[in-house]
Amino acid sequence: KQEVTQIPAALSVPEGENLVLNCSFTDSAIYNLQWFRQDPGKGLTSLLLIQSSQREQTSGRLNASLDKSSGRSTLYIAASQPGDSATYLCAVKRADRGSTLGRLYFGRGTQLTVWP
Amino acid sequence: NAGVTQTPKFRILKIGQSMTLQCTQDMNHNYMYWYRQDPGMGLKLIYYSVGAGITDKGEVPNGYNVSRSTTEDFPLRLELAAPSQTSVYFCASSLSAGQYGSSWYFGPGTRLTVT
Repeated sequence: KQEVTQIPAALSVPEGENLVLNCSFTDSAIYNLQWFRQDPGKGLTSLLLIQSSQREQTSGRLNASLDKSSGRSTLYIAASQPGDSATYLCAVKRADRGSTLGRLYFGRGTQLTVWP
Repeated sequence: NAGVTQTPKFRILKIGQSMTLQCTQDMNHNYMYWYRQDPGMGLKLIYYSVGAGITDKGEVPNGYNVSRSTTEDFPLRLELAAPSQTSVYFCASSLSAGQYGSSWYFGPGTRLTVT
């Protein structure tokens, strides 16, 4: 069974810092990995999607890397801002045995607070 | 596009009552999913659908039922509500679900309390 772990569970940093969020998964047979942002009381917003054949994806100040063989991904946030405060969720997509239909397996998230 | 919409936003149920959580997407996605999120936990898959008329169970289907009569709608039915079903429910959709899948889109969630 796929297990997804995110470290740290919570992070509090001053504005302007560069920071790294970590995600690890137990089964490397994944289709892709996706990072989401969740604001309090809101739904999930997709930030970056990395296919299993890719090593990284970038969007603005965000950069996500994927090392499938070691079961790890990192989300790098450059020059953090108070508006980045949210919970960041990592999810891996893989198919269950006997199926080609991929489903998402989520970590518990990293709660990020960026203070001015 | 409105994306994925869910109603209601909040609901309080008494034990034993029933209700339907509505989910609609306007992106013509074949794949739709229902997840629940308990405090401090990751999302767990309840049911999913690969197209109109086709549904299947996820990790935690007990106490729930779904139907998919159209591409756009994927309602989740709670029968005989129990306190263990207190959670936030998210509906999601995606264009594809195979190996070269696309991003997933989530609705804003329904916060359900069963007392």
